[in-house]
Amino acid sequence: SQQGEEDPQALSIQEGENATMNCSYKTSINNLQWYRQNSGRGLVHLILIRSNEREKHSGRLRVTLDTSKKSSSLLITASRAADTASYFCATAPYNQGGKLIFGQGTELSVKP
Amino acid sequence: EAGVVQSPRYKIIEKKQPVAFWCNPISGHNTLYWYLQNLGQGPELLIRYENEEAVDDSQLPKDRFSAERLKGVDSTLKIQPAELGDSAVYLCASSLTVQETQYFGPGTRLLVL
Repeated sequence: SQQGEEDPQALSIQEGENATMNCSYKTSINNLQWYRQNSGRGLVHLILIRSNEREKHSGRLRVTLDTSKKSSSLLITASRAADTASYFCATAPYNQGGKLIFGQGTELSVKP
Repeated sequence: EAGVVQSPRYKIIEKKQPVAFWCNPISGHNTLYWYLQNLGQGPELLIRYENEEAVDDSQLPKDRFSAERLKGVDSTLKIQPAELGDSAVYLCASSLTVQETQYFGPGTRLLVL
């Protein structure tokens, strides 16, 4: 079963534009994580935001978390063609020992 | 520092044959995970180890899947016999502790014919 639902399923933008991906979940969580996966490759960890945090930045990435709405967003600013990949949110439900439940992902295409 | 290592990277077998995947986690990581990823989907947890103990195997189809983590380091995941529906990518991940970031290996892409 997959807790996270990501929106949109696919996103196509031009280089230099910003990309926003959203994730909604159902149960209380300890943290929420975002991963990137290039075609045919493993997942690369991008950022972890804990349940008591509201916003986190890492380079061109900005993640927000709203626990009252059970939702998170990932913003990639000034996108590059190399950002083309699938992006997954993964939630660590409360009291499940660090288990991660992944969404279905957003497929981002950045055109040069 | 080396990341999570998995082998083989690709495997093609006929249905009803056995297959095994191997994972070497990041040095010092106590927690090891096996995930299954179907095409176009996010990974789904099969089993989680803390050291050599399987602490969450609720999603592992135990009639045909088995896993072990001897000495609390490397791990193997086995399917016997494989079915057509087992075609997927099998990902291994490790973390320092259960609450820390999980780092993924490149995965083993299995095709069952």
